[in-house]
Amino acid sequence: DAGVIQSPRHEVTEMGQEVTLRCKPISGHNSLFWYRQTMMRGLELLIYFNNNVPIDDSGMPEDRFSAKMPNASFSTLKIQPSEPRDSAVYFCASSFLGTSGNTDTQYFGPGTRLTVL
Amino acid sequence: TQLLEQSPQFLSIQEGENLTVYCNSSSVFSSLQWYRQEPGEGPVLLVTVVTGGEVKKLKRLTFQFGDARKDSSLHITAAQTGDTGLYLCAGEGRDDKIIFGKGTRLHILP
Repeated sequence: DAGVIQSPRHEVTEMGQEVTLRCKPISGHNSLFWYRQTMMRGLELLIYFNNNVPIDDSGMPEDRFSAKMPNASFSTLKIQPSEPRDSAVYFCASSFLGTSGNTDTQYFGPGTRLTVL
Repeated sequence: TQLLEQSPQFLSIQEGENLTVYCNSSSVFSSLQWYRQEPGEGPVLLVTVVTGGEVKKLKRLTFQFGDARKDSSLHITAAQTGDTGLYLCAGEGRDDKIIFGKGTRLHILP
């Protein structure tokens, strides 16, 4: 079975450019999470969706960051304009949230390593 | 703000030795998870503990949730080189938010 798919795996861009990261969750999962990982701050939750609806975006650092989930099988995280301090590994994860409210295991993608020069 | 502090940050030991890493907080968590992350990959869930005092075993790994549900430990018996990785704890706190610690980077020497 395919796991969570992220693209690109690596992205190098110059300050000021727009960056779009893509994620395909596991089929059948109804929750999708975007995380950012750095050595200094560890793994931080940026935003999560349930049934394609953004539920909590309090972790999104600033207005330069935006995320969309147009359908159950695709999500994007966009940074515009990008800055050197955005350099990090960005992970997408998906899970199944049941009616009981208990979240099933989160399955992480391999991540996108972003470098902003 | 709920925080999870992991210690030690780094640990390098010889194959065959035992070790314990810790995950501590001043806050109560309804559940706590341990993940292992290898270079170039995303974290992979090892275990979830939900009851205060709960102990779970996964082969040579023993996980314990503190009685007050504020802390947890991971003990590895007879470490192997394949245990090398970043070990992350994550707690489900207020508002069902998942909070991650910064991790313990473990290196097992052959």
